[in-house]
Amino acid sequence: AQTVTQSQPEMSVQEAETVTLSCTYDTSENNYYLFWYKQPPSRQMILVIRQEAYKQQNATENRFSVNFQKAAKSFSLKISDSQLGDTAMYFCAREGGGSNYKLTFGKGTLLTVNP
Amino acid sequence: GAGVSQSPSNKVTEKGKDVELRCDPISGHTALYWYRQRLGQGLEFLIYFQGNSAPDKSGLPSDRFSAERTGESVSTLTIQRTEQRDSAMYRCASSFPATSAEQFFGPGTRLTVL
Repeated sequence: AQTVTQSQPEMSVQEAETVTLSCTYDTSENNYYLFWYKQPPSRQMILVIRQEAYKQQNATENRFSVNFQKAAKSFSLKISDSQLGDTAMYFCAREGGGSNYKLTFGKGTLLTVNP
Repeated sequence: GAGVSQSPSNKVTEKGKDVELRCDPISGHTALYWYRQRLGQGLEFLIYFQGNSAPDKSGLPSDRFSAERTGESVSTLTIQRTEQRDSAMYRCASSFPATSAEQFFGPGTRLTVL
């Protein structure tokens, strides 16, 4: 089975500091998408950032950036200048690739930002 | 509305009963997905509809689970003879794959089987 692994069940960081959440995945596809979703206590699913596998440049969205290592099948999320509102569960997800659009999710990392 | 909606938001049922969960995708989205999220876990893929193609049912955990979609609109996920292990948050998402890989998620239906 093709899997997505998030090895850090929980992490904490002080407000204004930087934190990196790790994610590795398995795939036999060459072109696919990778995503980080945020799930705050409200239980919404909010897209944080996405990466297209055929693009070498790492995606960036304001304070959020990724370190995408295609050969290593690694896709980590860096959150800079952490804010209290970043406290949430973070899920890494891989799209199936090709015409397979379903997402495979990791088990999540619970991030707590402390004041 | 502009987003994906799901109903009911909460459903409590007794073991052995059938339940129907509804999803209204974003208008114009050709793809619709159902996922299940057990407490403390990530989302598990259940089923995927794309246009007029045959649905991808590879994630359905048993034959008690089924889903239908009317054209490119509403979808219903049905769970027959519910069991306690079916208790979870059921999430629907929709997308327009021709232009974007992003899936937009609904607020979910929390199912509790007593």
